[in-house]
Amino acid sequence: DAKTTQPTSMDCAEGRAANLPCNHSTISGNEYVYWYRQIHSQGPQYIIHGLKNNETNEMASLIITEDRKSSTLILPHATLRDTAVYYCIVSGETSGSRLTFGEGTQLTVNP
Amino acid sequence: GAGVSQSPSNKVTEKGKDVELRCDPISGHTALYWYRQSLGQGLEFLIYFQGNSAPDKSGLPSDRFSAERTGGSVSTLTIQRTQQEDSAVYLCASRVRGTEPYNEQFFGPGTRLTVL
Repeated sequence: DAKTTQPTSMDCAEGRAANLPCNHSTISGNEYVYWYRQIHSQGPQYIIHGLKNNETNEMASLIITEDRKSSTLILPHATLRDTAVYYCIVSGETSGSRLTFGEGTQLTVNP
Repeated sequence: GAGVSQSPSNKVTEKGKDVELRCDPISGHTALYWYRQSLGQGLEFLIYFQGNSAPDKSGLPSDRFSAERTGGSVSTLTIQRTQQEDSAVYLCASRVRGTEPYNEQFFGPGTRLTVL
């Protein structure tokens, strides 16, 4: 699986958009970008995934650059409950669907 | 509906003892994964079961670790002769197979293992 690079930590004001970047410059053509988050003392939770088009669901939006070497997860109106570690993961069928979690970004939403 | 459940939620054991950790996946989910998360670390893949196929054991750190999945449902992770470095949160996840590339894995709350 391609390696991902994320900032260690980020802060965001409650009610503002949180933009979490991820670099995955070695991503291959058949690999997808997945985002999960882990709230303290809980198991990880799926957020969203994409291949090359931008995606949006009820939780977040995912913006993938045209060259697919980086992406940004956007939480449009962050709340205190969005404070968590956010993991950007690149995965394809060759990995057997296992998820390789890196260190992630600790997002802290401040009141 | 019920999510992934794991038991026990906490386990304290003495070095050298064997432990068994249980995972009940979501009904109908054919894929099951075990991960572990050491203090302050990211998640580490351990093993993957898919239906009746041979499990992918490539993430197991040593031969003291084993896992089985009976009847395509409940899974048990066994750690023999536990060591202090085995202390971690052990997470189980399940997934509906056949929906690639939609790799949404549903995680349980984990079992916190402490080896004294």
